[in-house]
Amino acid sequence: SQTIHQWPATLVQPVGSPLSLECTVEGTSNPNLYWYRQAAGRGLQLLFYSVGIGQISSEVPQNLSASRPQDRQFILSSKKLLLSDSGFYLCAWSIPGLAGGYNEQFFGPGTRLTVL
Amino acid sequence: AQSVAQPEDQVNVAEGNPLTVKCTYSVSGNPYLFWYVQYPNRGLQFLLKYITGDNLVKGSYGFEAEFNKSQTSFHLKKPSALVSDSALYFCAVRDSGSARQLTFGSGTQLTVLP
Repeated sequence: SQTIHQWPATLVQPVGSPLSLECTVEGTSNPNLYWYRQAAGRGLQLLFYSVGIGQISSEVPQNLSASRPQDRQFILSSKKLLLSDSGFYLCAWSIPGLAGGYNEQFFGPGTRLTVL
Repeated sequence: AQSVAQPEDQVNVAEGNPLTVKCTYSVSGNPYLFWYVQYPNRGLQFLLKYITGDNLVKGSYGFEAEFNKSQTSFHLKKPSALVSDSALYFCAVRDSGSARQLTFGSGTQLTVLP
C-alpha cells in the first residue's frame, strides 16, 4: 500500500532563516506531487505541483520554492523565511499522469511551521 | 475559472440526527467533485468523489453525497451523526475543461453534540 511521509512534524524558525521541508511517498511510482499551505486551520492554498522529476509548476508567486530531486521526493524550501510563511504545510500525491489530476489526492500528516 | 463555496463555517448537530454539509461549485466544463475530512493537526482524508454516473455517491465512514447538476451542488450527508464525526470538512472541485488542479472550499467545522 502507499504511504506518504512528511518531516519535520513541527518547526519553529526565526525570520530570515532558511527552510527545508521534505515529503516522500512509498508504494507508487511517478506520482503527481503537491504542496499546500493551510493558514489559520482553514482553506488550502496550492503552492506547487509536480508531474515528474524536475518538473515543478508554481501556482502563486511567493517566498518559497519546490524541488523534486527523486521520483518520490518533494522538497519545499525558502532562502529567507517571512512571518507570513507561518502555517500548516501539507504534501499530497495522486496517481501518475493526466488521470492523476482527476482523481483523489492523498495527504501527508503535515508540518506545522511557526516563524518568529 | 473553477470555484467552490461552502456557505456554512460551522454546523452543529445532535448525535444520532442526520447531518448535511453544503457545497456548491462553479465550473465551465464537467465537474469532478471531492469531499475530504480533517481532524485537528492532521492531514486531509479522502471521503468520496463524483466523477460521472450515479448522482448519489457513497463513501467512507457512512458518508454519502448527492450531485445535483441543476443546482450545482454536492452536499455531504450522513443519516446518523456520531460524536467522532466532529471535524473540519472540505469540498473540492476540478474542472474537466481546465488544466488547473483541485480548488478547495474554505471548510465547514462540523460539531456533533452528545
